[in-house]
Amino acid sequence: GESVGLHLPTLSVQEGDNSIINCAYSNSASDYFIWYKQESGKGPQFIIDIRSNMDKRQGQRVTVLLNKTVKHLSLQIAATQPGDSAVYFCAENEAGANNLFFGTGTRLTVIP
Amino acid sequence: KAGVTQTPRYLIKTRGQQVTLSCSPISGHRSVSWYQQTPGQGLQFLFEYFSETQRNKGNFPGRFSGRQFSNSRSEMNVSTLELGDSALYLCASSALQQNTEAFFGQGTRLTVV
Repeated sequence: GESVGLHLPTLSVQEGDNSIINCAYSNSASDYFIWYKQESGKGPQFIIDIRSNMDKRQGQRVTVLLNKTVKHLSLQIAATQPGDSAVYFCAENEAGANNLFFGTGTRLTVIP
Repeated sequence: KAGVTQTPRYLIKTRGQQVTLSCSPISGHRSVSWYQQTPGQGLQFLFEYFSETQRNKGNFPGRFSGRQFSNSRSEMNVSTLELGDSALYLCASSALQQNTEAFFGQGTRLTVV
């Protein structure tokens, strides 16, 4: 049968505003989480990671928050720039493994 | 330091044929994972190799196979290609056995006609 494309959540923000991208994960055994950015025609690019013994981690202009109680992950991008326009994926990793399970992704569009 | 290199970048094959894709990980990385990305299913884990051993396998049919060489380079093979195998195949390398950053290559775009 004909495959239906995934409906990607979208987020549009004005240049200079902060962006928040959310992700729900499902596996309680996951203990490592990564956010990736994927631009058209490219492979996913590592942004930031967090381990399950933390609830917040900051990088350059990015912050990841982890709420294990409700199995929720978020990525905050400060002062969003046009170059931040891309699809963002969260990924969870089971303990003791290197196999990532990806969310469906969120398309971020930055309006100049 | 060179990144993850995948070859070829683009490939067109006919149904029923087989295909081999190649991945050279970042120097020093011993873990290589493969993923399939399609509009319909998103990014899905295929398998992971560490020190020439397959450690984990995703939910794909036996037509999908792989191997890793002593220099950590990896290949994946898809036999008896189907139209639904058309996808972007991504390879990721990691330095450690577990819970560490995975760095992706540009992918191989496979089109089955």
